[in-house]
Amino acid sequence: NAGVTQTPKFRVLKTGQSMTLLCAQDMNHEYMYWYRQDPGMGLRLIHYSVGEGTTAKGEVPDGYNVSRLKKQNFLLGLESAAPSQTSVYFCGWTGYEQYFGPGTRLTVT
Amino acid sequence: DAKTTQPPSMDCAEGRAANLPCNHSTISGNEYVYWYRQIHSQGPQYIIHGLKNNETNEMASLIITEDRKSSTLILPHATLRDTAVYYCIVTYGSSNTGKLIFGQGTTLQVKP
Repeated sequence: NAGVTQTPKFRVLKTGQSMTLLCAQDMNHEYMYWYRQDPGMGLRLIHYSVGEGTTAKGEVPDGYNVSRLKKQNFLLGLESAAPSQTSVYFCGWTGYEQYFGPGTRLTVT
Repeated sequence: DAKTTQPPSMDCAEGRAANLPCNHSTISGNEYVYWYRQIHSQGPQYIIHGLKNNETNEMASLIITEDRKSSTLILPHATLRDTAVYYCIVTYGSSNTGKLIFGQGTTLQVKP
């Protein structure tokens, strides 16, 4: 996963707080994704982007917003966190195939 | 994207071949079969993919039936480090938007 970073690695929020997760890459990837994974489940697509300035909804977009103002950065925002958003969040990108970051473990209390 | 069906869990003895099945009876003509695995809550790792023909790489082999309604991922000599959740995904691939729809996968336990 050289050239792509996902921050932060861990975060604890209180209900109603906001935060932004960052996926940053310097590999000129066009397609980028945000997934969430709840315990015992597979990943579910939240939002994705096929290029700078473009975003689209995935399977579970409610409660999240995204931006891709620069090609290098794909941001996932939680405006008002809820306990149901406690999950592990993975950034993905498509190079030769789709690859994933190490994840952000978010707990909302 | 077509839905896939996988057994929830499988065991395999270390050093033996692990054969993981996947049913995808509603696959369309230009959808690919992809396999990923996820080791202990890390990000998923790409293994292999195919369209019609059988494929092999340094990690695994993929056998797709002639009618493309099912496939089998083969790990030829499983090791303890292959213990993971394996996901079979059918998608139009990275030439499209690249969206992946994950099911619950198969938890493979490799035993000594």
